[in-house]
Amino acid sequence: EAGVAQSPRYKIIEKRQSVAFWCNPISGHATLYWYQQILGQGPKLLIQFQNNGVVDDSQLPKDRFSAERLKGVDSTLKIQPAKLEDSAVYLCASSSNLGDTDTQYFGPGTRLTVL
Amino acid sequence: AQSVSQHNHHVILSEAASLELGCNYSYGGTVNLFWYVQYPGQHLQLLLKYFSGDPLVKGIKGFEAEFIKSKFSFNLRKPSVQWSDTAEYFCAVYPNTDKLIFGTGTRLQVFP
Repeated sequence: EAGVAQSPRYKIIEKRQSVAFWCNPISGHATLYWYQQILGQGPKLLIQFQNNGVVDDSQLPKDRFSAERLKGVDSTLKIQPAKLEDSAVYLCASSSNLGDTDTQYFGPGTRLTVL
Repeated sequence: AQSVSQHNHHVILSEAASLELGCNYSYGGTVNLFWYVQYPGQHLQLLLKYFSGDPLVKGIKGFEAEFIKSKFSFNLRKPSVQWSDTAEYFCAVYPNTDKLIFGTGTRLQVFP
């Protein structure tokens, strides 16, 4: 079974530029999550989708961050404009809607550096 | 707000030493508990999880964790560590109907 795919793996941008990350969850997983992991901290949930609907975006800085999952499969997370404090690893995870719905499977992440 | 505390930020051990990593959470209701591991250059992987039943759960690679409800703890243990266990370990708590909350992680270095 293929895991969660993310791209790009690394991205370096200057502040005020925009950036987008892509995630393809495990096949059949209805729930998709985006996390932000700042160096030295644990991952923090930014947004959770169930199919193509948003379940929780309470910790998403909506003035600059946006995310979509139009067809209920892959998803994109965008930052516009980026700030220095957005430097972090952005993790995508997915979980099944059948059986064990609480176990999340993580992708390799995208390491963002904002200069 | 719910929180997860991992008091050991950096642990250094020699091979064959025993390991115990602490994890405490602040939530009085039903929780699901997880330990994730991140090996150097790799993604987060599930090590073990507790949902209900026997509070002593066994995971992959000889790891186990014990859920002590009265202490709000879910400590990770391994009787004898190997160099390949060098990684960062994250405790995570899933409060009922809420979001998954991670601790800050513990970096484990095992020397031959």
